[in-house]
Amino acid sequence: SQQGEEDPQALSIQEGENATMNCSYKTSINNLQWYRQNSGRGLVHLILIRSNEREKHSGRLRVTLDTSKKSSSLLITASRAADTASYFCATAPLTSGTYKYIFGTGTRLKVLA
Amino acid sequence: NAGVTQTPKFRVLKTGQSMTLLCAQDMNHEYMYWYRQDPGMGLRLIHYSVGEGTTAKGEVPDGYNVSRLKKQNFLLGLESAAPSQTSVYFCASGEAHYEQYFGPGTRLTVT
Repeated sequence: SQQGEEDPQALSIQEGENATMNCSYKTSINNLQWYRQNSGRGLVHLILIRSNEREKHSGRLRVTLDTSKKSSSLLITASRAADTASYFCATAPLTSGTYKYIFGTGTRLKVLA
Repeated sequence: NAGVTQTPKFRVLKTGQSMTLLCAQDMNHEYMYWYRQDPGMGLRLIHYSVGEGTTAKGEVPDGYNVSRLKKQNFLLGLESAAPSQTSVYFCASGEAHYEQYFGPGTRLTVT
């Protein structure tokens, strides 16, 4: 079973709007990461948030982490057509050590120009 | 600085054939990983390595073997390919507590 589950599975927005996607996980974690995947390409790391952090920013990205609810959200502000991609969360369960990550099934984001 | 490279990029195999996928990284990372990605399934960990000479099983290891004879290389072998192994295979490298760097992927079709 998947440790991380993203929600929604697919999201379509207009350029300039904000996009929010969520990730839920099942067990205690060391950190949570978000990755982007353009069609047919490898994954690119976006941001890492550790279990003792609640919020993190990187450019137009904002990530929150709620360990009590075992959930995280990724907000992309002022979206652009180039943001069209699939977004995955990855968690490192504490029980598996800090180097074995489990990926969710992803959110497919489409930004319309 | 090439990052993580994978060879080949595409391959078609017949059922029962064998092949080896090569992953190379030039970032001196200790940890390396092999994942497979199937439609709607996200990435699933096949095998991983926490250092030269070490390997460990991931979530879906059956039908695959790996070797890490050199720190910069991580090989994934399919001994007897099956149609269920049709997938896109990604290699990644990184360090504990930090992000992973992914290769461009190998698209494998088993007929």
